[in-house]
Amino acid sequence: ELKVEQNPLFLSMQEGKNYTIYCNYSTTSDRLYWYRQDPGKSLESLFVLLSNGAVKQEGRLMASLDTKARLSTLHITAAVHDLSATYFCAVDGDMRFGAGTRLTVKP
Amino acid sequence: DSGVTQTPKHLITATGQRVTLRCSPRSGDLSVYWYQQSLDQGLQFLIQYYNGEERAKGNILERFSAQQFPDLHSELNLSSLELGDSALYFCASSAGGKAQPQHFGDGTRLSIL
Repeated sequence: ELKVEQNPLFLSMQEGKNYTIYCNYSTTSDRLYWYRQDPGKSLESLFVLLSNGAVKQEGRLMASLDTKARLSTLHITAAVHDLSATYFCAVDGDMRFGAGTRLTVKP
Repeated sequence: DSGVTQTPKHLITATGQRVTLRCSPRSGDLSVYWYQQSLDQGLQFLIQYYNGEERAKGNILERFSAQQFPDLHSELNLSSLELGDSALYFCASSAGGKAQPQHFGDGTRLSIL
């Protein structure tokens, strides 16, 4: 059974700092998705990563995929308060979601 | 606004009952996905339809069923409801291929009393 582990589950960071969220998964897959969810809101698609070595960037967020290591990362650069949200990764196969990382960016 | 419409926004019912959740995808999207989000089980993929045909199945209970109609709207039917079915149910749509991002509706919050 596919398992998806995100860490950390909670992340509190200062504005302007950098940090990385990790998404490990247990079986082979070459497609991975990152989503953002604001409190009480729906999900927003951030990135679709399709192949080994894929890297995508949007603003202060950059996602990468290493299918051999079964690892995806979501890197946050120079965090701002507006990035506060919960971030989920999901792995294709049976679209298994991680537990989510609740990010809080403090001034 | 994602362009995906879900109705109703809230639904309160009792154990043993049956409900139908409705989803209208974005214009032009052929794929519809259903997800369940609850505090204890997190986000779970239930089922996907593509142009009227079932494409993939996730953790969907036998008490639950879905379909996608010729006009591409989809319905999720939940029957013999239990307290544990209380959750937020999201519908998402995409153009079709797995490379396409999914656009999520605002969800239907189902409360079982």
